[in-house]
Amino acid sequence: NAGVTQTPKFQVLKTGQSMTLQCAQDMNHNSMYWYRQDPGMGLRLIYYSASEGTTDKGEVPNGYNVSRLNKREFSLRLESAAPSQTSVYFCASSERGPYTEAFFGQGTRLTVV
Amino acid sequence: KQEVTQIPAALSVPEGENLVLNCSFTDSAIYNLQWFRQDPGKGLTSLLLIQSSQREQTSGRLNASLDKSSGRSTLYIAASQPGDSATYLCAVKGNYGGSQGNLIFGKGTKLSVKP
Repeated sequence: NAGVTQTPKFQVLKTGQSMTLQCAQDMNHNSMYWYRQDPGMGLRLIYYSASEGTTDKGEVPNGYNVSRLNKREFSLRLESAAPSQTSVYFCASSERGPYTEAFFGQGTRLTVV
Repeated sequence: KQEVTQIPAALSVPEGENLVLNCSFTDSAIYNLQWFRQDPGKGLTSLLLIQSSQREQTSGRLNASLDKSSGRSTLYIAASQPGDSATYLCAVKGNYGGSQGNLIFGKGTKLSVKP
């Protein structure tokens, strides 16, 4: 039972390059999320998908796009990476609704030079 | 705007001590509160989930309490062990940004248990 799987685990990009972070969950959850974690800032929500076919902006969406490919997969794309996007990115999933538990992946450590 | 605060930011204790980690939040209109553990360079592991209607939850040596009206939660760790060393994160779920599923996190308490 893998839970939430993120790829890649580590990535170094040059400023201006693009990349896509992949996330897949095997718990049949409806809702999926992308967070970023920065020192001194805690985790902040970038985008979320309440259910297949829907996506919405979170607290810090600028510079990112997302795609809910199907119920299992939710990807995060950086079109033109900037040093300010150096961070650890976490994908999470949960059942839809307010009283549910969130489960997180192992994270992607991204450095933009 | 919901804000979550965890005090202390870091804590060092000798092995065997019972300890309490604190979490406070400014808006009591929450659906639930979740405690996570994060090991260095790793992801978040869910420890305990307390629904807004509950007062506490227990799992092994861990006990989490919730006082929604005062905006406080505590995580009690009994008989601490070096393996408990990690950062502990508190997160509340509410209707933030139009979604019922968004979590607002504290910045964590980094726990070190010395042998």
